[in-house]
Amino acid sequence: KAGVTQTPRYLIKTRGQQVTLSCSPISGHRSVSWYQQTPGQGLQFLFEYFSETQRNKGNFPGRFSGRQFSNSRSEMNVSTLELGDSALYLCASSSQGTGGPGGTQYFGPGTRLLVL
Amino acid sequence: AQSVSQHNHHVILSEAASLELGCNYSYGGTVNLFWYVQYPGQHLQLLLKYFSGDPLVKGIKGFEAEFIKSKFSFNLRKPSVQWSDTAEYFCAVGASITGGGNKLTFGTGTQLKVEL
Repeated sequence: KAGVTQTPRYLIKTRGQQVTLSCSPISGHRSVSWYQQTPGQGLQFLFEYFSETQRNKGNFPGRFSGRQFSNSRSEMNVSTLELGDSALYLCASSSQGTGGPGGTQYFGPGTRLLVL
Repeated sequence: AQSVSQHNHHVILSEAASLELGCNYSYGGTVNLFWYVQYPGQHLQLLLKYFSGDPLVKGIKGFEAEFIKSKFSFNLRKPSVQWSDTAEYFCAVGASITGGGNKLTFGTGTQLKVEL
């Protein structure tokens, strides 16, 4: 099976712009979770989508949003970018949802976003 | 809210030394426990997981972890480390949340360097 793929792998944006990141989960997985990874804060949970519904949300401002399509592919959008949004954004998929007994997550390589 | 603490941020060991990385969590309910590893330049990948049953779980590459419920701990161990174990290790705790689904919370990570 192909693993989790994320596009693009690298992005450079300027403050105030918006960005859309894409994630394709492992075939058959219905849950997609997004995380922000920074050296200072570690891995912070953004949100989880399961069968096109947002099931879980972390403590991030409304500028961070996402959606999931019927084929389980997911997109994450960040509007009005700030310097502090520079990070590695990771996507993970699982068959039964994050954190639970069936929720082993498989991570993608991430999208590294740099905001100037 | 659940939280995860990894007390050792940086660990340096010589090859063949024994390893124990601490992980403590705070959550009053049933939890699912994970250790993930991120090798330099690679994706996060699952080392091992505990859902129920035998509190001593074995993972890949000779790693094991013991769940001690009374201490809210899930420490990672390896009897003899190798240079190739140099990586960042993340403890994660999954727990059910109101409204359905589970939330996965990561610790801040431990950077392990194994010297020849």
